[in-house]
Amino acid sequence: EPEVTQTPSHQVTQMGQEVILRCVPISNHLYFYWYRQILGQKVEFLVSFYNNEISEKSEIFDDQFSVERPDGSNFTLKIRSTKLEDSAMYFCASSDRALQNTGELFFGEGSRLTVL
Amino acid sequence: AQSVTQLDSQVPVFEEAPVELRCNYSSSVSVYLFWYVQYPNQGLQLLLKYLSGSTLVKGINGFEAEFNKSQTSFHLRKPSVHISDTAEYFCAVSDNNAGNMLTFGGGTRLMVKP
Repeated sequence: EPEVTQTPSHQVTQMGQEVILRCVPISNHLYFYWYRQILGQKVEFLVSFYNNEISEKSEIFDDQFSVERPDGSNFTLKIRSTKLEDSAMYFCASSDRALQNTGELFFGEGSRLTVL
Repeated sequence: AQSVTQLDSQVPVFEEAPVELRCNYSSSVSVYLFWYVQYPNQGLQLLLKYLSGSTLVKGINGFEAEFNKSQTSFHLRKPSVHISDTAEYFCAVSDNNAGNMLTFGGGTRLMVKP
């Protein structure tokens, strides 16, 4: 069964360092997403990506964050200068169509980021 | 703006007993509602969804949910749970104004005891 894969599963970094989280969405999917979950809190939407550009982003997704689909298979989330409050589980997801068109989000297992 | 409330952070239940996990939402427009399950050390998996039509939605693993517009609820039910149902369950909502953005509730940990 096709699945969304994420690497690394866990990353520890120092405050101020750049981090890149990688995702391989399901191959025929067109919509890509990043969500995050701070420990003990809700899963929060960060950004959606379609047709090689950001289609929606939340207030959390500020200038420190960026996304890229560099090679047609990977979908990356970059945090330019990490802060302590960026520590969270980051989930990548993909879908073959929009939610309102019976689209279903398929989530990866998450990448846990710990900022020290 | 949308919001989702899952009133119960934990629900302990004995095996083979029925269970209901509660979800209430707020939205000013027509909504699309989802339940996701997260097993330990795994990603989020879609259990079921309501987009339109019948208000009773059946999903995988014997779960079902009922959309109640007047009570703005989308409670998840299963008539008889198994140990393997132990997991975190998340209710989520989207609407026509939200595009492809899902708003999640805080999650309910279902703990099935033998």
